[in-house]
Amino acid sequence: QSALTQPRSVSGSPGQSVTISCTGTSSDVGGFNFVSWYQQNPDRAPKLIIYDVSERPSGVPDRFSGSKSGNTASLTISGLQAEDEGDYYCCSFAAGPYVFGIGTKVTVL
Amino acid sequence: QEQLVQSGAEVKQPGASVKISCKASGYRFSNYHMHWVRQAPGQGFEWMGIIDRYGGPTKYAQKFQGRVAMTTDTSTNTVFMEVSSLTSDDTAVYFCARERGGTYKFDLWGPGTLVTVSS
Repeated sequence: QSALTQPRSVSGSPGQSVTISCTGTSSDVGGFNFVSWYQQNPDRAPKLIIYDVSERPSGVPDRFSGSKSGNTASLTISGLQAEDEGDYYCCSFAAGPYVFGIGTKVTVL
Repeated sequence: QEQLVQSGAEVKQPGASVKISCKASGYRFSNYHMHWVRQAPGQGFEWMGIIDRYGGPTKYAQKFQGRVAMTTDTSTNTVFMEVSSLTSDDTAVYFCARERGGTYKFDLWGPGTLVTVSS
């Protein structure tokens, strides 16, 4: 199972929007609506921010949103804030195993 | 407070085995499966496997079959993972992560256990 493809980095100024893509195949992203996104800050455990493609856990700000089209899922951060800096990983169920993206570093300029 | 507490860092020689623990507290243990995910230095995450919430069936990533064993002690709400025949490629931070049965998301992660394989 190959890792999902994500851009290595994205950046934006406070208040702007950034979108992170996550491309897989019909065996993972395209085949199931079980895409989740995780935020990780240095030396911290990952935090779930989106599940089932577009659902937000309680406590996650609504500036985080998710979507999917075909084999590509996307995470959008609207109204970027300094605290949003970190690494973001997508993950998809793949009919048994799970496969993660390579990770995207979000920088707030 | 719901939390997962993992055992401390380990340094192992090539060819050795390591057993890591993950103790759950603050929630009903039997409602959640437990997964293990690892992250090599500077790399992304790699899913290793899952153990059923009742400590029964396990499923391992093909890459780790025959080299990984996940077990549960339901009396202490602790999950264990043993990795054998370690090589330097196994140097990584190992995380346990829970999944409420059939929800396909990891809603709580442990802090991670660093395993260093070096001669």
